[in-house]
Formats: sequence, C-alpha cells, structure tokens
Amino acid sequence: DIQMTQSPSSMSVSLGDTVTITCRASQDVGIYVNWFQQKPGKSPRRMIYRATNLADGVPSRFSGSRSGSDYSLTISSLESEDVADYHCLQYDEYPYTFGAGTKLELK
Amino acid sequence: QVQLKESGPGLVQPSQTLSLTCTVSGFSLTSYNVHWVRQPPGKGLEWMGRMRYNGDTSYNSALKSRLSISRDTSKNQVFLKMNSLQTDDTGTYYCTRDRVYYGLVFDYWGQGVMVTVSS
Repeated sequence: DIQMTQSPSSMSVSLGDTVTITCRASQDVGIYVNWFQQKPGKSPRRMIYRATNLADGVPSRFSGSRSGSDYSLTISSLESEDVADYHCLQYDEYPYTFGAGTKLELK
Repeated sequence: QVQLKESGPGLVQPSQTLSLTCTVSGFSLTSYNVHWVRQPPGKGLEWMGRMRYNGDTSYNSALKSRLSISRDTSKNQVFLKMNSLQTDDTGTYYCTRDRVYYGLVFDYWGQGVMVTVSS
C-alpha cells in the first residue's frame, strides 16, 4: 500500500500566518492527491484536487503544490475559519490512502 | 443537488455485524463510484472500500475478510456490511463519491454516522 506521511501532526498558528502542511508519498502517485479540511463534528471538505487545483468555493489563500513525491498545502494569511484538521489523500491506486492528518491550533 | 446520507444503528455489540446504508440523490450510481471511509474518534481517515459505477467492488485489504459492499441502483442506495465488530471499529462512517476521470474525487460527503461498538 502507498504510505502518505503527513507533517506536522499539529501546528500552533497565529492569524495572518502562512501555513504549509506536507505529505510525502512512498511511491509515485503523480498528480492524484487531494487535500481536505475537516472541522469538529463535520464531514471532510475537499480543498485541493489533482495536487494543485483549487476546488469550487475555496478561498484563493489556499494553494497546493508538488515537488517530486512531496505534496504541500499552503494557507496564506490564515483566518480564524481556517483553524481545522487537514488531510491528504492519494488516489493513484487502490487502496486509496490518507495521511494521518494535521491539526491547526491557535496560539 | 448532490446529497449522500448514511444511516444505520448507532450501537453494535462486539462480534456482531454492522449494516449501513448510503442513500444518494442528485447523481447516478451507474455514473459515479461510491466509497466508504471511516474515522475513529480523534484519529485520521481510513478508506474502507468502493462500489464502482459498473458494480465492481474494491476493499481495503485490512478489512477485506470482514467487509462487503453492495448496492440497489433502483433505490439509489449503497450498503456496507462488516462482521465480527470489535471496539476499535468504533468511529464515524462516511460515504462519499468519485468520478476520477473528471477530477471529482470525494467532492461530496455524507454527514457521517457514528457507530459505537460496545456491550
């Protein structure tokens, strides 16, 4: 199975910060990585698809990038509504696999 | 509009079988794949398995011996059955959809159903 190693597991952030979360794939998954935001008690929300594409309705302060087997989600000028858990997903092959998640907390 | 909704018992006894239903609207089960994803309390997401648009299934190898996914296209429903439940199967179970070719992977999710495995 493909492993998605997500880091950091948690992050203490301030409003206005630029935040970067990374997933490293254990083998080539091409562009087939999505990022999800999840708030307490809610379902995941797709933020980025195919590694770099912004999903509908997602603010432009969110962006996705890829460098080799490293995939990153960046939030520029963090707002209070962005404080949540974030998950990466690879869907290049079955079984689909998620990263372990990153929890953003306000300082 | 697109909707997915999970339903099923909130409490299951250890060693028993979990049966969940995902009822969809706003899209066709013969055009989209439907997946089951679960999340233990306070932990990450785990992909469980998939019902393909053509009726084929795929399962997480860690669950394959206990898991079965089926569907009734006339009722717009996808079913999950998992046997021999243990306490570490406690968590929220979600259904979600994809259509990979169109870049639509897990773009809509159900609200989830919390399942507790306890005697």
